[in-house]
Amino acid sequence: LAKTTQPISMDSYEGQEVNITCSHNNIATNDYITWYQQFPSQGPRFIIQGYKTKVTNEVASLFIPADRKSSTLSLPRVSLSDTAVYYCLVGAMNRDDKIIFGKGTRLHILP
Amino acid sequence: DGGITQSPKYLFRKEGQNVTLSCEQNLNHDAMYWYRQDPGQGLRLIYYSQIVNDFQKGDIAEGYSVSREKKESFPLTVTSAQKNPTAFYLCASSSRVEGYTFGSGTRLTVV
Repeated sequence: LAKTTQPISMDSYEGQEVNITCSHNNIATNDYITWYQQFPSQGPRFIIQGYKTKVTNEVASLFIPADRKSSTLSLPRVSLSDTAVYYCLVGAMNRDDKIIFGKGTRLHILP
Repeated sequence: DGGITQSPKYLFRKEGQNVTLSCEQNLNHDAMYWYRQDPGQGLRLIYYSQIVNDFQKGDIAEGYSVSREKKESFPLTVTSAQKNPTAFYLCASSSRVEGYTFGSGTRLTVV
């Protein structure tokens, strides 16, 4: 299972773009990169998933360089409600594999 | 709507008691998981099950037990052997296509 490294915490201001980078140097060929968001006293919820290059949905973008050893979650124009913990996970989603959650990145949006 | 339901939302346990946390899913997912989360920490895997009537220990299985008699259900029992059970417990299920879906959690407190 690929280990991931993320910043422990980040602060930003409303309206700004926030980029959270995750390192996963030993990512395997079959591994996907998935980001989850967790609010206090709630379960994590899926944000975005990708394998390579760029993926965009209505919530975020995910940038993955060619070597796939890192990835960047981009949140455009954040609001106070984006204050949460963000987890980067790496694993092969084509099998029912246990995936290890790290401590995530605690994002704090300031007014 | 398909989803995963945890109950109760809050649970209080006396010293020496066993308590059981419920987790039910109607997503037709094969795999189910139990995680423990302590304040300011990430998720730690307690037990997981990839198929009915089979389950494996995670990283912190001591003091916990599970069963998987039905595909939809994966109850977790916190036994008296768990010396520090106060925590937030999250249940999740996953499929090869849809990834992880989490429940809303059960907060267990020892009184």
